[in-house]
Amino acid sequence: GAVVSQHPSWVICKSGTSVKIECRSLDFQATTMFWYRQFPKQSLMLMATSNEGSKATYEQGVEKDKFLINHASLTLSTLTVTSAHPEDSSFYICSARVLVRGTDTQYFGPGTRLTVL
Amino acid sequence: GENVEQHPSTLSVQEGDSAVIKCTYSDSASNYFPWYKQELGKRPQLIIDIRSNVGEKKDQRIAVTLNKTAKHFSLHITETQPEDSAVYFCAALGSSASKIIFGSGTRLSIRP
Repeated sequence: GAVVSQHPSWVICKSGTSVKIECRSLDFQATTMFWYRQFPKQSLMLMATSNEGSKATYEQGVEKDKFLINHASLTLSTLTVTSAHPEDSSFYICSARVLVRGTDTQYFGPGTRLTVL
Repeated sequence: GENVEQHPSTLSVQEGDSAVIKCTYSDSASNYFPWYKQELGKRPQLIIDIRSNVGEKKDQRIAVTLNKTAKHFSLHITETQPEDSAVYFCAALGSSASKIIFGSGTRLSIRP
């Protein structure tokens, strides 16, 4: 159980275009999902917390108008990178929060590698 | 907010020897400390975790210790094997919004 998927696994786009990444919890419901970004040889940096049915909470320094997050259902959160630029090229990973035997746990998706040309 | 520091950034050990990675955290209210192993291009995989009501936890060759007073926690890998080579991240669950904050990572290399 507790499988999280992401789509697409990789994407290449032209500068100025928008890219949507999906994060799904396949066998459980997740009221809260998280979006991380990881640059090469660096750690995972939390971008935002996605809450089902409400606005996402963004970390300091993350532009909410550039990284649009929608959590329309209990199993799906989407991240849209708008007007992408080469510096947005990164590995984007989502995670879903779930209670396992009363304990707060997170499961990670496989990640999406974005390359902006 | 929570801040997690991790040392060393790189670690090379002889196969069969032990490896130790250390982390400190800033939020005294944090109560969950997972450790992740990440191979190149893949998602972080949870390898062991510890909660604040426990001082030590062991799972085969992997052990984690927690010192709440000092706000330190460590990962110990014994009898290292080539497949242990990867990047390891410590993390802490912050007291607000259940956010997991990651350390900067340790690149572990096992020398044959």
